[in-house]
Parts: sequence; C-alpha cells; structure tokens
Amino acid sequence: DIQMTQSPSSLSASVGDRVTITCRTSQTISRYLNWYQQKPGKAPKLLIYAASTLQSGVPSRFSGSGSGTDFNITIRSLQPEDFANYYCQQSYHTPWTFGQGTKVEIK
Amino acid sequence: QVQLQESGPGLVKPSETLSLTCTVSGGSITNHYWSWVRQPPGKGLEWIGYIHYTGNTNKNPSLNSRVIISADTSKNQFSLKLSSVTAADTAVYYCARDTKSYYESSGDGLDVWGQGTTVIVSS
Repeated sequence: DIQMTQSPSSLSASVGDRVTITCRTSQTISRYLNWYQQKPGKAPKLLIYAASTLQSGVPSRFSGSGSGTDFNITIRSLQPEDFANYYCQQSYHTPWTFGQGTKVEIK
Repeated sequence: QVQLQESGPGLVKPSETLSLTCTVSGGSITNHYWSWVRQPPGKGLEWIGYIHYTGNTNKNPSLNSRVIISADTSKNQFSLKLSSVTAADTAVYYCARDTKSYYESSGDGLDVWGQGTTVIVSS
C-alpha cells in the first residue's frame, strides 16, 4: 500500500492567515493526489484533484501543488468557514489511501 | 445533480454481517465507479473498495476476505456486505462516486459523497 504522511496533524491560525498543509507519499504517484475538507458530522468534500485542479465551486483561495511524492495545499487567506479537517488521498494505485488528517483550528 | 444516500441497520451484533445500500439519484450507476469509505469515531478515512456496474470490483486487502460489493442497475444501487464484524468495524460508512476511469488504473478522487451512516457493532 502507498503510505501517506500528512503534516502538521493540527494547526491554529487566525482569519486571514495563509496556511499550508503538506502530504508526502511513500512512493511516487505522479500527480494523482487529492485533497478533501471535512467538517464535523459531515461527509468529506473534494477540494482539489490531480494535485492542483480545483473542483468546481471551490474558492480560489485554495490551491494545490506538487508531484511525485511531495504535495501541498495552501489556503491563501483563511476564512471562518475553512476551519475543518483536511485529508490528502492518493488515487494512483489501489488501495486508495488517505493521510491521517490535519485539523485547522481557530487561534 | 447526482445524490447518494446510504441505508441499512445502525446496530449490528459481533460476528454478524453488516449490510448497507447506497441509492444513487440524479444519474445512472452505469456511468461511473462507486466506492465505499469508512471512518471510525474520531479517526481518519479508510477506503473499503469500489465497484463498476459490469461487476469489476477492487477491495482493500485489509478487508478483502470479509467484503462483498455488488451493484443493482435495475434499482440504481450498490451495496456493501462486511462479514464477521467486531467492535473495530464501528464507524460512519460513506458511499461515494469514484472518478476512476474504466480504462485506467488511476483516478481523480471521490467527487460526490453520501451523508454517511453510523454503524455500531455491539451485542
């Protein structure tokens, strides 16, 4: 299985901050890396696929980058509705695997 | 727009079989792959497996021997059966649309999700 290592596991930030979350994979996956946002009691929501492509309707303050084994998601100016858990996921080879998640909390 | 809804018992006894169904509305299940994902309380996400309406399935090796995923095109549904459950199988179970192509081994994530259903394994 492809192992996913996400960091940090949690972070505290203020509205308006720039936030970056990192995901590293145990083997190269080209650009088959996706990012999800999950709020408490809700299903995950696909934000970014193919490392950097924004899903339809996702605000442009979200961006993704990376290829191979190292990937990032950046929130340019954190908004109140962005406080949530974020997960990376590889869709290069089954079994699809997820990072352990990053909790973005209000400072 | 496509919507997914999970259904099934919320309580299953240890050693029994968990059975869930995902009903797809607003689109045909013949157009995509469909996945099951679960999330134990307070923990991360685990992919269980996917199915194509042709019967092509792929399951997580960690659960493979206990999982059956099937599809019913007449009802526009797909289903999950997980046998010999234990307390470790207590989780929120989600169904989701998988963007994997029939002709490629890779995909672009899970783009539509059901709201999830909580399954507790307890006697």
